[in-house]
Amino acid sequence: QVQLEQSGADVKKPGAAVRVSCKASGFTFTDYYFHWLRQTPGQGLEWVGRINGKSGDTMYEKRFLGRISLTRDTSITTAYMDLSNLTSDDTAFYYCARGPRGVVSTPLFDHWGQGTLVTVSS
Amino acid sequence: DTQMTQSPSTVSASVGDRVTITCRASQSISTWLAWFQQKPGKAPRLLIYKASTLQDGVPSRFSGDGSGTEFTLTIISLQPDDFATYYCQQYDTFPLTFGGGTKVEI
Repeated sequence: QVQLEQSGADVKKPGAAVRVSCKASGFTFTDYYFHWLRQTPGQGLEWVGRINGKSGDTMYEKRFLGRISLTRDTSITTAYMDLSNLTSDDTAFYYCARGPRGVVSTPLFDHWGQGTLVTVSS
Repeated sequence: DTQMTQSPSTVSASVGDRVTITCRASQSISTWLAWFQQKPGKAPRLLIYKASTLQDGVPSRFSGDGSGTEFTLTIISLQPDDFATYYCQQYDTFPLTFGGGTKVEI
């Protein structure tokens, strides 16, 4: 069955960086984009960016430009989100979710990871 | 960016009630709209995509309608499992954007 398994909760100090991983199974990794989203009580749900599982091409929400990097390792079917220069405003649940690349007809965001809580605190 | 506005932010309802949630887009998004249900501590769950297409496994008491800038999610005969927060999301243009959510409470 389709699964997106994310890494565990993390606590970081302001100015640090965090890496969240998303291990995919049960489907062909390269047929999909992997989107990253986050959810905070104040800002609700927001889209962070996406990576093409086949080519590695990325697209980012402009407010994260300069401190976000999405990568993937097709050999272990895992996508990664690196976010640097953290502030308390980055405290949130981070989710990965899959989206079709056009070679498949599944709907966008039909499967999500379980979420990873990143807490930024001094 | 396309702004998504949901109303109401909270709705109080009882089991068996009919509930309608509205979502408005700041510009036309055709039918590139999805609805999600979220329960505390869980990831959002896709209910409806392309404004009115029910995702596999979602009960038929959920329905979606609309196009352009006005959309609705209707739950007929609310069940105990339906008390949750609902979000709309547009995928017409990047950045993808979500509504602020509607909490359906008892």
